[in-house]
Amino acid sequence: RKEVEQDPGPFNVPEGATVAFNCTYSNSASQSFFWYRQDCRKEPKLLMSVYSSGNEDGRFTAQLNRASQYISLLIRDSKLSDSATYLCVVARGSTLGRLYFGRGTQLTVWP
Amino acid sequence: EPEVTQTPSHQVTQMGQEVILRCVPISNHLYFYWYRQILGQKVEFLVSFYNNEISEKSEIFDDQFSVERPDGSNFTLKIRSTKLEDSAMYFCASSGGDNYEQYFGPGTRLTVT
Repeated sequence: RKEVEQDPGPFNVPEGATVAFNCTYSNSASQSFFWYRQDCRKEPKLLMSVYSSGNEDGRFTAQLNRASQYISLLIRDSKLSDSATYLCVVARGSTLGRLYFGRGTQLTVWP
Repeated sequence: EPEVTQTPSHQVTQMGQEVILRCVPISNHLYFYWYRQILGQKVEFLVSFYNNEISEKSEIFDDQFSVERPDGSNFTLKIRSTKLEDSAMYFCASSGGDNYEQYFGPGTRLTVT
């Protein structure tokens, strides 16, 4: 079973739409959770860490459900610049350890 | 804003040749990593390095691979005898600042012919 699973999409949404991505992880010992974004042929860039209580950063909201081993990312009021691949990432131990990446969910926002 | 840098941006080599990929981590970081991404696939962990030794390595990181921090700023990945399947984007990352999150460099695209 894969360590991290994501719906690959693609998601195609108009500007201003709200879009949600989901991710599941298989190892209940996972301790740290992140969303990264990756533009085509570029490096992963940290979007946000995900905390048990849920957290929000502007238009982005992340939620974690440890019981279901499920992570989500909600993007409100989508912008053209949000078009990218969104990577769900987990670490079993601290954030200093090995990261396990999902294959990513592709988002295209159209005008 | 400090960032991780990598050189070269693109390396083309023949099968069986040795390559060295170079990284300069963020200056106050103490933890260093190499990941790779084969075209169209997910990012995969290769190795982590702390206090001048390997702290963890994956099953991909076999005897053909080695890492080194030859001075106070560079962190290198060496592939001793490249294979066609080593063609990938190689990302260096570093961590250990205020928030311990991993920050990635722009990558080196390795093409083995």
